Amino acid sequence: QITLKESGPTLVKPTQTLTLTCTFSGFSLSTSGVGVGWIRQPPGKALEWLALIYWDDHKRYSPSLNARLTITKDTSKNQVVLTMTKMDPVDTATYSCVHTLLKYKPYFDYWGQGILVTVSS
Amino acid sequence: DIQMTQSPSTLSASVGDRVTITCRASQSIGSWLAWYQQKPGKAPKLLIYDASSLEGGVPSRFSGSGSGTEFTLTISSLQPDDFATYYCQQYNTYSQVTFGQGTRVEVK
Repeated sequence: QITLKESGPTLVKPTQTLTLTCTFSGFSLSTSGVGVGWIRQPPGKALEWLALIYWDDHKRYSPSLNARLTITKDTSKNQVVLTMTKMDPVDTATYSCVHTLLKYKPYFDYWGQGILVTVSS
Repeated sequence: DIQMTQSPSTLSASVGDRVTITCRASQSIGSWLAWYQQKPGKAPKLLIYDASSLEGGVPSRFSGSGSGTEFTLTISSLQPDDFATYYCQQYNTYSQVTFGQGTRVEVK
């Protein structure tokens, strides 16, 4: 059974860097094709894809947020970490990690419960 | 960037209705489209992938069609559990992913 769970701060100040960790089970990020990504959703708004990292360490980022995002993986710990710099109140959202089985067809079959991150001074 | 536009934004329907949601891509994406259902406070659930393939465990009243730039999600007979928000997602360029803005299906 595949599960993913997000952890990290729920409150950050403007200009700070956000670091979120996705801890997963039920699959290995060393298996060919597999990827883990991050998606966020501001309250009452639509889903926004942020980043993906694949089993081969290829990384992909949202073009609009590319300069602020870094995604890394620790295969031995079954974890993926997302950092986002220069946080702003508009970055207030629920951040979710997701699983994709196929590198060349990244749709998301498993989702974490999400973590609400509020950006406020 | 590929933009995804869903219509309508809100849809009012009754149990038993046939419901259709449209998703349009700003350029051709082949059949690389997924549909998700999201209920308040919950994570999205994958319904359809590759435009028309039903994810395991999803009721057969859900179906997807289309290719190129126009896609539809159809619920053949709306059930009480189907009132939710639906999102389309393109993955034509595997390096970038885009979601539609969502369609809320509400009780008429």
